Amino acid sequence: AAGVIQSPRHLIKEKRETATLKCYPIPRHDTVYWYQQGPGQDPQFLISFYEKMQSDKGSIPDRFSAQQFSDYHSELNMSSLELGDSALYFCATTVGTSINEQFFGPGTRLTVL
Amino acid sequence: AQSVAQPEDQVNVAEGNPLTVKCTYSVSGNPYLFWYVQYPNRGLQFLLKYITGDNLVKGSYGFEAEFNKSQTSFHLKKPSALVSDSALYFCAVRDIGGGFKTIFGAGTRLFVKA
Repeated sequence: AAGVIQSPRHLIKEKRETATLKCYPIPRHDTVYWYQQGPGQDPQFLISFYEKMQSDKGSIPDRFSAQQFSDYHSELNMSSLELGDSALYFCATTVGTSINEQFFGPGTRLTVL
Repeated sequence: AQSVAQPEDQVNVAEGNPLTVKCTYSVSGNPYLFWYVQYPNRGLQFLLKYITGDNLVKGSYGFEAEFNKSQTSFHLKKPSALVSDSALYFCAVRDIGGGFKTIFGAGTRLFVKA
């Protein structure tokens, strides 16, 4: 069965650079959630989209932005990267905004040097 | 606000012994509770969920969880631990009042000794 795809899987950037993380949902999933998991921490919700509109916002820095496209894939854009942005970034996708199960992608590990 | 708490940073158990990883929840309304497992440098794998129905929920890899409304707990259990069960376990709740995002506990690291 198709799973959630995230690219790239690993990314190394320098401070003050920009990064773009991509999330491709399972077919027919129209909702995307982004989470950030710092070293030794639990995943923290950043932002979510439903039907290409932002549906909820969490602890996402102003330096980050995200959007969902017409094919329902989503991109997380990160600018002016800081050392503290080094983390594992997950997306999870589901159908609609409900208690339907969220399927997590494998994550993108971002390292900021 | 919805939240879950995992009171133990680490649980140690011998292979073949039963294991319990504790979780308590605080929610307004009906709780939608989940357990996930994370292996080193890997993504989150879904183990099981409680939405409604039987208080004993059976999940993947022989895990089960018991929902206890009076104690607001959702402990993860397995009758006989395997070394390969060693991983990081997250209890989670869906925020039904906030876009249904997942709110995670701090995680409990399980070590199973051979």
